[in-house]
Amino acid sequence: SQTIHQWPATLVQPVGSPLSLECTVEGTSNPNLYWYRQAAGRGLQLLFYSVGIGQISSEVPQNLSASRPQDRQFILSSKKLLLSDSGFYLCAWTPGQGWEKLFFGSGTQLSVL
Amino acid sequence: KQEVTQIPAALSVPEGENLVLNCSFTDSAIYNLQWFRQDPGKGLTSLLLIQSSQREQTSGRLNASLDKSSGRSTLYIAASQPGDSATYLCAVLYSGAGSYQLTFGKGTKLSVIP
Repeated sequence: SQTIHQWPATLVQPVGSPLSLECTVEGTSNPNLYWYRQAAGRGLQLLFYSVGIGQISSEVPQNLSASRPQDRQFILSSKKLLLSDSGFYLCAWTPGQGWEKLFFGSGTQLSVL
Repeated sequence: KQEVTQIPAALSVPEGENLVLNCSFTDSAIYNLQWFRQDPGKGLTSLLLIQSSQREQTSGRLNASLDKSSGRSTLYIAASQPGDSATYLCAVLYSGAGSYQLTFGKGTKLSVIP
């Protein structure tokens, strides 16, 4: 069966520090991968999605970047965090051949102080 | 641009009641609609997915309906239990800007009181 792992679960970082959140999927190949951010009262916002290794699409301009170094690994990064980067970050995947159910990781609560 | 609205934002009911959560969307040209459950501080769990050609889907005490023409979906929960307390989100998949787009509502926070 397929599983998705996301870590860390919580993170407290000072403003200006770098960020690296990692997500891996097991039990499938060539998944579509997504990074979402959930801010209080604002719903889920799609940040990046990837349909293959090295293929990253950005949905909104921001202080963040994403990379997909391997088929089932998706990384969210920042060189210098801002206060506004605080939020709940969720990784998700769907099968590469079509749009069926969206499967989410357990999320990372990021607090930038 | 697709917009998804969930009303009410919060709902409190006594245990055992049947309840309905609402989701509306502005563009009826959708491929599917999903209902998710989110527990505090956790990721989202997919509950039901309704394809655009379907009218409803059922899983246990949950029943989701879809009326594409009116841009509405409902999630019916029968015989609610305290364990059903969570935030419920709906999301619609549609074609926009040359690719598939998935838009979420902001959710309804459900509290089932023992």
